Amino acid sequence: NAGVTQTPKFQVLKTGQSMTLQCAQDMNHEYMSWYRQDPGMGLRLIHYSVGAGITDQGEVPNGYNVSRSTTEDFPLRLLSAAPSQTSVYFCASSSGPPELFFGEGSRLTVL
Amino acid sequence: AQKVTQAQTEISVVEKEDVTLDCVYETRDTTYYLFWYKQPPSGELVFLIRRNSFDEQNEISGRYSWNFQKSTSSFNFTITASQVVDSAVYFCALGRGAQKLVFGQGTRLTINP
Repeated sequence: NAGVTQTPKFQVLKTGQSMTLQCAQDMNHEYMSWYRQDPGMGLRLIHYSVGAGITDQGEVPNGYNVSRSTTEDFPLRLLSAAPSQTSVYFCASSSGPPELFFGEGSRLTVL
Repeated sequence: AQKVTQAQTEISVVEKEDVTLDCVYETRDTTYYLFWYKQPPSGELVFLIRRNSFDEQNEISGRYSWNFQKSTSSFNFTITASQVVDSAVYFCALGRGAQKLVFGQGTRLTINP
C-alpha cells in the first residue's frame, strides 16, 4: 500500500520554466490538497479538491493551477516559475475528517 | 478566520528533561479538529495526535502527553524524559475537517545529549 506518492522529490527550475508536481494516492480518498512549507511559516494551503472534477483555492493559490480528473491524481502545475515559489511542497489526502495522510514532500528550487 | 500560534520558535533542552510545546488557536467553529505533527530532519510529516473539539480529555501515549483546554483555546504537547530522537520541528494544526488545515509556524525542538 503506497499511500500518498509525490514526484519528483527534488527539482531545480529556472525562472519562467513550467513544471508539474505529481501526487497520487491509492486509498480511494475523496479529499486531496497541496501545501507549501516555507521557513518560519509552517504549512500553507495552496489548492484543494473534494472530489474528481472539483477544486478550490486555499490560502496561497497564486501562480499555481490544479485539476482533478481522477480520484487518484491531483497534479500541481507551475506555469511560469518564480523564485518566490522555492519551497517544499506536500500533497495530502483524506477520506473525510479527521484523517489526513501526507506525502513525503517535494523540494523545489527556482533560480 | 482560523489561526494557530506556536509562540516558541525554538526550544533547546538537555536529554531527559521534560519539555512542553505550546499551541494556541483561534476559531469561531464549534466543531473542529486539532492535530500535532512531527517533522524530523528527514523532512516527512509524522502524525502524532488529533483531537476533536468535543473531547477535552487529556491523552498520554508513552512519553507524550497532550493537554487540551477549550477555555484557553490551547492544545499543548509535553514530552517527558526527552530523548535525542525527539529532536524535530513540531507543528500544531487546526481544521474543520481534514482537507483544509491551518498550521502554526512550528517549534524547532533540539534535545542535546
